[in-house]
Amino acid sequence: NAGVMQNPRHLVRRRGQEARLRCSPMKGHSHVYWYRQLPEEGLKFMVYLQKENIIDESGMPKERFSAEFPKEGPSILRIQQVVRGDSAAYFCASSPTTGNQPQHFGDGTRLSIL
Amino acid sequence: GQQVMQIPQYQHVQEGEDFTTYCNSSTTLSNIQWYKQRPGGHPVFLIQLVKSGEVKKQKRLTFQFGEAKKNSSLHITATQTTDVGTYFCAGPRNAGNMLTFGGGTRLMVKP
Repeated sequence: NAGVMQNPRHLVRRRGQEARLRCSPMKGHSHVYWYRQLPEEGLKFMVYLQKENIIDESGMPKERFSAEFPKEGPSILRIQQVVRGDSAAYFCASSPTTGNQPQHFGDGTRLSIL
Repeated sequence: GQQVMQIPQYQHVQEGEDFTTYCNSSTTLSNIQWYKQRPGGHPVFLIQLVKSGEVKKQKRLTFQFGEAKKNSSLHITATQTTDVGTYFCAGPRNAGNMLTFGGGTRLMVKP
């Protein structure tokens, strides 16, 4: 029973390039959440998605960042024209339903911007 | 907006000593969840508390949810080196399942 799968584990980009982070939720989970974690800091909520819908993107910067969770395939967090400040660990989590459900996290993608 | 604060930010203990981290929310919570993140790892769900005044135990870990459902604590008895990591509390942001995480307490245990 595979857990939340994120890839790549590590991603290096130069300033101005695009970063695409992928997340496949646990089997049977239809709710996906993306978080950003800076070194030695907590987890900051970015966006909450269900299949083909963005439910809440209040934590995601309005510019350069976008997220999707298509009917088929993984959820994608896309960062365009990356800058040094985008360097962080990006975690994806999933849950089966809304309400009082624990979230299951993937291993994260460590994004480094040169 | 909702804020979830944790203290202390860091804690060094000698192996065998006890450890406590405290979590406070600016709003009343329907439930509170606790996660542990090992260095270099990802957050792992530990427990969820729902009822006012609830106390739950997992071996050496004791979790409490305050009567007003705005604060919580995690106490570890006789710490071991395997307890090393950052402990986060998290509460629901609104009616949905989005969570607001506290800043975490990083526990370091000297053998």
